[in-house]
Amino acid sequence: QVQLVQSGTEVKKPGASVKVSCKASGYTFTSYGVLWVRQAPGQGLEWMGWISAYNGDTNYAQNLQGRVTMTTDTSTSTAYMDLRNLRSDDTAIYYCARGHSTLFDYWGQGTRVTVSS
Amino acid sequence: LMLTQPLSVSESPGKTVTISCTRSTGTIDSNFVQWYQQRPGSSPTTVIYEDNRRPSGVPDRFSGSIDTSSNSASLTISGLKTEDEADYYCQSYDDNNHWVFGRGTKLTVL
Repeated sequence: QVQLVQSGTEVKKPGASVKVSCKASGYTFTSYGVLWVRQAPGQGLEWMGWISAYNGDTNYAQNLQGRVTMTTDTSTSTAYMDLRNLRSDDTAIYYCARGHSTLFDYWGQGTRVTVSS
Repeated sequence: LMLTQPLSVSESPGKTVTISCTRSTGTIDSNFVQWYQQRPGSSPTTVIYEDNRRPSGVPDRFSGSIDTSSNSASLTISGLKTEDEADYYCQSYDDNNHWVFGRGTKLTVL
C-alpha cells in the first residue's frame, strides 16, 4: 500500500535550517511528484512547492524563493524539503503528498517544526 | 489571486451543504479547482480534483462544480454525516502555475 512517512518533530532556533524527509513506499517513486504544504498553528494551508521525482524539476512558492530547496533521492525513494534562515513564522506542521498536476492522493502524517529562541 | 471561502457553515445530518470558493482575478474556468478535507488533528485529503472529479475512495456524496457567472467553484456534500465535520479548502493556480489555497471553511454537522 502507498505510504509517505515523514521525519519527526524538530525544534530549531531562529536563523537555523531544517531538513524534513518524506519516505515513500508502495509505488514507483519516480512516476510521481512530491508536493510540500505547511500549516501554521490555527491557520490554513500554505503551498510551498513541488518537485518531480522523475527529473528533479521544481516549482517553489514566491515567498520562499531563496530559502527553500526540495530534493529527492531515488535510491531510497525519499523526498526532502530544506528550509534555511528559519524565522518564528516558519513554525508549522509540514506535509508532503504524492501526485502530479492536479491530483495529490496520498499525504504524509506531517512534521511539526517549531522555531523558537 | 485570492480564493474567498465562507469562514464557517453548519448543517444537520442527512442534509445537503454547499461551500463556495470565489476567484478574485481571472476566470474560474482558466485553471482547475481542487478541494481538500482536513479533519481535526489529521493530514489533508483530496475530495475533488479538476473541478468535479472524485479520487478513488471518495463517496459520491461529494461533488464539485464551477459557475462562470459568479466566478466561483462549489463543493456540495449531500447526506451529511458527522464524519464530514472538518475544514475544507479550495485550491487553484495563479498565472505562474503556483498553487493558491482559500482560507478554509469549517463545516459543523450538528
